[in-house]
Amino acid sequence: DAKTTQPNSMESNEEEPVHLPCNHSTISGTDYIHWYRQLPSQGPEYVIHGLTSNVNNRMASLAIAEDRKSSTLILHRATLRDAAVYYCILKKTSYDKVIFGPGTSLSVIP
Amino acid sequence: DVKVTQSSRYLVKRTGEKVFLECVQDMDHENMFWYRQDPGLGLRLIYFSYDVKMKEKGDIPEGYSVSREKKERFSLILESASTNQTSMYLCASSSPYSYTEAFFGQGTRLTVV
Repeated sequence: DAKTTQPNSMESNEEEPVHLPCNHSTISGTDYIHWYRQLPSQGPEYVIHGLTSNVNNRMASLAIAEDRKSSTLILHRATLRDAAVYYCILKKTSYDKVIFGPGTSLSVIP
Repeated sequence: DVKVTQSSRYLVKRTGEKVFLECVQDMDHENMFWYRQDPGLGLRLIYFSYDVKMKEKGDIPEGYSVSREKKERFSLILESASTNQTSMYLCASSSPYSYTEAFFGQGTRLTVV
């Protein structure tokens, strides 16, 4: 299974942009890069996903390296409600398991 | 707008009891998953199912079994609960396609005393 590597924790000041990195050097050509986040006392929720091109949605942007071996989740203006654990995972088209790594715990400082 | 529903938010059971955790999804997803989450250990996959009556072991299946008699329902069974199974249990569902998202329930916090 292709694995992802993320920093254990990051800090950001409120209303500043946050760049959350993820390395996935063993990604295969058909793996999609997905990001989820888990707020305290809740189940994980979907944030964004992409294959090769950069993606934007109302929650965040996803920047994917040209060689696809890394990606960055960008929160344009961090709020206190963005304090969560962020998970980067690789999802295949398959009847197969979805594995989560330890994720990055993001703290937002007022 | 609830998509994945877990039957209980909090549960307290005694050691040795048989425990059923129920999960229902309304998105007609083929794949369903059970995870447990413990401090410092992240989300660990217990079992998953890719079709009715089909199941596959995840990374930590010991002490658990599962049942999927209908597509929308995936049950996690603790045959004889032990204190080391005290944890947060999360159910998820997804279609098998890589470009589709997974949906999670709110979790069941199980305490075995």
